[in-house]
Amino acid sequence: DQQVKQNSPSLSVQEGRISILNCDYTNSMFDYFLWYKKYPAEGPTFLISISSIKDKNEDGRFTVFLNKSAKHLSLHIVPSQPGDSAVYFCAASVPGNTPLVFGKGTRLSVIA
Amino acid sequence: NAGVTQTPKFRILKIGQSMTLQCAQDMNHNYMYWYRQDPGMGLKLIYYSVGAGITDKGEVPNGYNVSRSTTEDFPLRLELAAPSQTSVYFCASSGVRLGASTDTQYFGPGTRLTVL
Repeated sequence: DQQVKQNSPSLSVQEGRISILNCDYTNSMFDYFLWYKKYPAEGPTFLISISSIKDKNEDGRFTVFLNKSAKHLSLHIVPSQPGDSAVYFCAASVPGNTPLVFGKGTRLSVIA
Repeated sequence: NAGVTQTPKFRILKIGQSMTLQCAQDMNHNYMYWYRQDPGMGLKLIYYSVGAGITDKGEVPNGYNVSRSTTEDFPLRLELAAPSQTSVYFCASSGVRLGASTDTQYFGPGTRLTVL
């Protein structure tokens, strides 16, 4: 059973517009959430994170929103740039000695 | 500071062959991980280690073995390669306790393995 779900395998957005990537989770014990970005032939790189005690975290063009009651988080990229074209993975962790749980990823294509 | 390095970048194996995927990190991280990523799928944890001499199974450990004799190195061993092990393998490390609020993992560039 997938604990972290990214239901959209792909997303296309025009350059300059907002990109919204969504992630749902089922485990109410998750207390920390991360987004990773992956370019082809490279390893994933950390992008932004949020603790469950917050509902928003912003870093430049990237903002992550957390809705605990809905068990939903989203990554907003504004404005989207062609260099943002990549696969984005949502990940979550529970307190204690367990590794991150990753979603399947969403491929974002930003069209110039 | 090279971060997480993996060798080789690519490898083709025949069924039944064995090989070791190498992973090293120079960030003095205690925690290291091996993932595989199949096409269209997310990252599945194979094995992880919380420190030298300590390893534990992840979600998909069958067909693999690991060892952690030093803080820096975390090799992944395939003993009898099977076509189902065709995948891209990523090694990662982190410097904080698993599941802690600042658990940021750093990934290597990956090893693309094909088993024919």
